[in-house]
Amino acid sequence: AQSVTQPDIHITVSEGASLELRCNYSYGATPYLFWYVQSPGQGLQLLLKYFSGDTLVQGIKGFEAEFKRSQSSFNLRKPSVHWSDAAEYFCAVVSDSGTYKYIFGTGTRLKVLA
Amino acid sequence: EAGVAQSPRYKIIEKRQSVAFWCNPISGHATLYWYQQILGQGPKLLIQFQNNGVVDDSQLPKDRFSAERLKGVDSTLKIQPAKLEDSAVYLCASSPPGGAHYGYTFGSGTRLTVV
Repeated sequence: AQSVTQPDIHITVSEGASLELRCNYSYGATPYLFWYVQSPGQGLQLLLKYFSGDTLVQGIKGFEAEFKRSQSSFNLRKPSVHWSDAAEYFCAVVSDSGTYKYIFGTGTRLKVLA
Repeated sequence: EAGVAQSPRYKIIEKRQSVAFWCNPISGHATLYWYQQILGQGPKLLIQFQNNGVVDDSQLPKDRFSAERLKGVDSTLKIQPAKLEDSAVYLCASSPPGGAHYGYTFGSGTRLTVV
């Protein structure tokens, strides 16, 4: 069965510092992968997605992610974090059940220090 | 384009009471999902509709949860009777036909507290 692991529950970075959030997946074929962000009291907003082609994908708000098949990883990065990036970040993979349901990781909560 | 609308935003009920949540997806989106997000966990799919038919309800606790999507547009999710462990955020999402692999659009969710 597919699974998604986000090893870091909490991450704290200083404003202006670089950021990398880790995501590892378990999937037999080439996965559809996503990163979503959830601000307090809000729904999930799509940051970026990967399902084929260039393994480095660009998203909104200056985020990017790199798909590495050999490591079963899809880590999210941002070169310079802004205070408004403080939120919870979820990695997800589409299930291979044929129904396109998502399997989400448990999330990483990002805190940004001024 | 209008987003996915959900109501209410918050609900507090006592255990054993019933509650209902409403979702209006983006116009033209054939697929509608209800996810449950318990504090500290990622969202978990409860039920998926394609138009007004159920595609996947394998993780829906059918002894207490029910959902319907009449006319393939709006949907309601009901819990009866509620338990303490049902306290969570209930997220509705939708995607266009054949477009789920491009990403869902989520509503803001309904935060349910069962006391």
